[in-house]
Amino acid sequence: QVQLMESGGGVVHPGRSLRLSCAASGFTFSSYGMHWVRQAPGKGLEWVAVLSYDGSNKYYTDSVKGRFTISRDNSKNTLYLQMNSLRPEDTAVYYCAKGGLWVVASGLDSWGLGTLVTVSS
Amino acid sequence: EVVMTQSPATLSVSPGERVTLSCRASQSVNNLLAWYQQKPGQAPRLLIYDTSTRATGVPARFSGSGSGTEFTLTISSLQSEDFAVYYCQHYNIWPPWTFGQGTKVEVQ
Repeated sequence: QVQLMESGGGVVHPGRSLRLSCAASGFTFSSYGMHWVRQAPGKGLEWVAVLSYDGSNKYYTDSVKGRFTISRDNSKNTLYLQMNSLRPEDTAVYYCAKGGLWVVASGLDSWGLGTLVTVSS
Repeated sequence: EVVMTQSPATLSVSPGERVTLSCRASQSVNNLLAWYQQKPGQAPRLLIYDTSTRATGVPARFSGSGSGTEFTLTISSLQSEDFAVYYCQHYNIWPPWTFGQGTKVEVQ
């Protein structure tokens, strides 16, 4: 079955960087768009970024453009989120989620358990 | 950016009741709309995609409908395991693919 496992979260000072990873298994990773979604404590879901199956197309929500970079290594079945210039408002549980076959626009049919990022001085 | 607005924010219901949740988009999303269920401490779960298609393993009591800018998730007979927060999300052509703020379905 599909499994997504995020790692790399932690406590970081404002302005610092963090890289999240998402290890995927149970499906042909290299054929699917992959997303990052975050959820601030006690708040709703916020879509963050998507990367196409081959890494050629990537999109971000405005609040992270220029600071976050989504990438993937299809040889390792792993999705990444490089987060630079972190702000307190980036504090959230970050989920990776599986998107559509060959497309970036789709429902998200599998989710990891999430990894908590806390940005605080 | 398409703004997704869900109503009501909270719904107090009893098991066995029929439940209708609403989601409105600020512009047409061409029926590219999904519904998710999230229970406390858990990741979201896809229930419905493309407005009305149930995801794998989702019970038939969940159904989605709507078009253009107005969408509905219906639970025909609420079960105890259905108490949760429900989110809609559009994935129309261009991002960001925004979520609604959620509707909490709680025990009356």
